[in-house]
Amino acid sequence: QSVLTQPPSVSAAPGQKVTISCSGSTSNIGNNYVSWYQQLPGTAPKLLIYDNNKRPSGIPDRFSGSKSGTSATLGITGLQTGDEADYYCGTWDSSLTAHWVFGGGTKLTVL
Amino acid sequence: QVTLKESGPALVKPTQTLTLTCTFSGFSLSTRGMRVSWIRQPPGKALEWLARIDWDDDKFYSTSLKTRLTISKDTSKNQVVLTMTNMDPVDTATYYCARMASSSGWYMDIWGQGTMVTVSS
Repeated sequence: QSVLTQPPSVSAAPGQKVTISCSGSTSNIGNNYVSWYQQLPGTAPKLLIYDNNKRPSGIPDRFSGSKSGTSATLGITGLQTGDEADYYCGTWDSSLTAHWVFGGGTKLTVL
Repeated sequence: QVTLKESGPALVKPTQTLTLTCTFSGFSLSTRGMRVSWIRQPPGKALEWLARIDWDDDKFYSTSLKTRLTISKDTSKNQVVLTMTNMDPVDTATYYCARMASSSGWYMDIWGQGTMVTVSS
């Protein structure tokens, strides 16, 4: 069971918008920056968003991130079939034994 | 160009110790602010963070696996090594190493391709 809670799956039609939530606590999301990762089938994860809402070079602005309190959200607009993947949120957890935590992952289906 | 590549045995027996090596290029783990993490992913399941080592040899471990893990670095070889003791079939997974960069916060900006490890007798 993951420390960060994500919906197991989301779906939307091509061209539409989808959001993926990531819920945590004050020891992780509440006091640290969130990053998001895209994992296409059979490949290694890839950084999508860092520092809550920044995109690395090469990531299109269709992908966006936000954070409020102990929750974060990934938004994807103009959905493409190539966006079908698993998406994970992650952040540092500053509890007594500091460690990194991931969400359980969300499977995006583009119908 | 930053790259990381994992290597190690594809098959280990239960109770054995697993040793994985992450060989990287394009950065130095002796540079202030550099960090490398290990992450694993059982087939069909979510990512699970295992351990992190910093440029100053600071180390952090998964709370649930702390007693079984040891992370170390060889700066001269640009390698990070992870050992996991007392392997069990539930440890069957793809193991990744990733560079951890920092801006305001920390994040894994470059990942290796992963190496699949099966635990079976």
